[in-house]
Amino acid sequence: NAGVTQTPKFRILKIGQSMTLQCTQDMNHNYMYWYRQDPGMGLKLIYYSVGAGITDKGEVPNGYNVSRSTTEDFPLRLELAAPSQTSVYFCASSWGPGGPGAIQYFGAGTRLSVL
Amino acid sequence: DAKTTQPTSMDCAEGRAANLPCNHSTISGNEYVYWYRQIHSQGPQYIIHGLKNNETNEMASLIITEDRKSSTLILPHATLRDTAVYYCIVSSGTASKLTFGTGTRLQVTL
Repeated sequence: NAGVTQTPKFRILKIGQSMTLQCTQDMNHNYMYWYRQDPGMGLKLIYYSVGAGITDKGEVPNGYNVSRSTTEDFPLRLELAAPSQTSVYFCASSWGPGGPGAIQYFGAGTRLSVL
Repeated sequence: DAKTTQPTSMDCAEGRAANLPCNHSTISGNEYVYWYRQIHSQGPQYIIHGLKNNETNEMASLIITEDRKSSTLILPHATLRDTAVYYCIVSSGTASKLTFGTGTRLQVTL
């Protein structure tokens, strides 16, 4: 049982390039999330999904896109990378809403630098 | 979701209990209190959660005041490996969205 797996662990992008951050979970969780964390700051929600085919914006969605075609996978797409997207990105999953179901399990993160 | 207030940083001697406070005076009746921690730059790790009653698990204890306006996370015997940022989060979990603030940076020292 691997939990939440993120790839790659590190990536350097040039301004204007695009990339996809991969996230997969093997816990059969319905809900999945993408956060970003800038140095010294808390996590900010980018996008989330409550099930396959359903996604919604979080606090900071600009510059990102997501899709959820399967329960297991929730990739995050960066189009036209900008230096402001330099951050650590965390993917998480949870069973569902409220109480113990809302406990989120996090991946190890992807450290992205845009130069 | 209700806003939380935590001290920016705290110190604790190894082997002693670490008591981390959290104020959530605007909490609603259906909102849970969750605690997570983040060690260095790893992904956040769930510690414990509660609604009204005090809770204990293998990692920590959670004490919630009777009016639910504040809570305390207790690490009974802190070790150096407990040095981390601790986040107190209040959420109804409607969409399981959690709002992370800046948390409390706990430094455990010898």
